[in-house]
Amino acid sequence: ELKVEQNPLFLSMQEGKNYTIYCNYSTTSDRLYWYRQDPGKSLESLFVLLSNGAVKQEGRLMASLDTKARLSTLHITAAVHDLSATYFCAVEPDSNYQLIWGAGTKLIIKP
Amino acid sequence: DGGITQSPKYLFRKEGQNVTLSCEQNLNHDAMYWYRQDPGQGLRLIYYSQIVNDFQKGDIAEGYSVSREKKESFPLTVTSAQKNPTAFYLCASSIRTSGGEQFFGPGTRLTVL
Repeated sequence: ELKVEQNPLFLSMQEGKNYTIYCNYSTTSDRLYWYRQDPGKSLESLFVLLSNGAVKQEGRLMASLDTKARLSTLHITAAVHDLSATYFCAVEPDSNYQLIWGAGTKLIIKP
Repeated sequence: DGGITQSPKYLFRKEGQNVTLSCEQNLNHDAMYWYRQDPGQGLRLIYYSQIVNDFQKGDIAEGYSVSREKKESFPLTVTSAQKNPTAFYLCASSIRTSGGEQFFGPGTRLTVL
């Protein structure tokens, strides 16, 4: 069974701290996507990771992909309140075309 | 501006009614998708279409139907057979028929009265 596991599922942290969200998957893939969802809103694409070792950065967020370990990380540096949201990873398996979604990580950043 | 539009934003359904959710894209994307999201949960795939006049069931297709008569449009009908349709419905598209990054519309929130 194809699985994508995110952890933690819920994270409450203080502004200014660093933290990492993990996305593990069970199938072979070298394509992984990170999305952000604000409460009551749709999903917004954050990062597209298309090869082993890919690293993308946008502001205080940095995503990386290790296809050998079947692991992607989303690192938050010096968190600010505006980053509070739910973050989803989605894997595109080599075997088919559909994205397999993680359950999401709800991130709350307290001032 | 290119993008995906969904209408209506909010929809209320009475028991036993069929309702249709609209999804239109002007991105010239080949593939389109419908997802359901329950409160505090992740995304579940209802249906997807890779080309016009063709579509496939996703993980939770029972009680739903779709059509793809035009490349730009992928409407979703929630039938009376769907016993618990209250949810947030998201439409997405991707440029490739074979997967790729998906772009999402703003969503439709359906509530059963």
